[in-house]
Amino acid sequence: DSGVTQTPKHLITATGQRVTLRCSPRSGDLSVYWYQQSLDQGLQFLIQYYNGEERAKGNILERFSAQQFPDLHSELNLSSLELGDSALYFCASSVAIQSGRGNTIYFGEGSWLTVV
Amino acid sequence: DQQVKQNSPSLSVQEGRISILNCDYTNSMFDYFLWYKKYPAEGPTFLISISSIKDKNEDGRFTVFLNKSAKHLSLHIVPSQPGDSAVYFCAASAIYNQGGKLIFGQGTELSVKP
Repeated sequence: DSGVTQTPKHLITATGQRVTLRCSPRSGDLSVYWYQQSLDQGLQFLIQYYNGEERAKGNILERFSAQQFPDLHSELNLSSLELGDSALYFCASSVAIQSGRGNTIYFGEGSWLTVV
Repeated sequence: DQQVKQNSPSLSVQEGRISILNCDYTNSMFDYFLWYKKYPAEGPTFLISISSIKDKNEDGRFTVFLNKSAKHLSLHIVPSQPGDSAVYFCAASAIYNQGGKLIFGQGTELSVKP
């Protein structure tokens, strides 16, 4: 158990719909990261928040948005869903703002999203 | 643009032998590299890391080698055990230029046969 909690674990929804994925970081971690894993893309970095503020952005679509709340939990909002959005979405957390130098990033178990 | 590449999607090794997983990167700003291990239906688990100031880091059966001039790193597992069967991802980070994000390779599925 990494200490990173993600809900829901599985989600099936129709095209055009909107979903929200939730993440609670490890206790004491200020950084939250979102990754998408699809069959053909591997693990793709989406976005990072540090202590409530957006820190870095990756391959995140405009239809997707995220935020980190004062209690440090984070939500990833996916809207106007398409079939290609079906993937495993991981949340991760770390203590510091930057990975490396001993600042390990710990991953949750992921949220399976299936768009039908 | 795939900045981190794992060109072997799968690798099969006999129990007790050495497993060598390879990873290449293109971004010369990367200065920290990590290996994660992932079982089906679970999140990636941190395995071992190496800073660009080193060329080798060892932790038990796992050793990571970094060749900066070739922009190549490898993970050696010796001896390999059936429980090592999983997908291994290498990841890279450029601490000062790209913040905390990790760029992952595509993963290599290791199968260790008894």
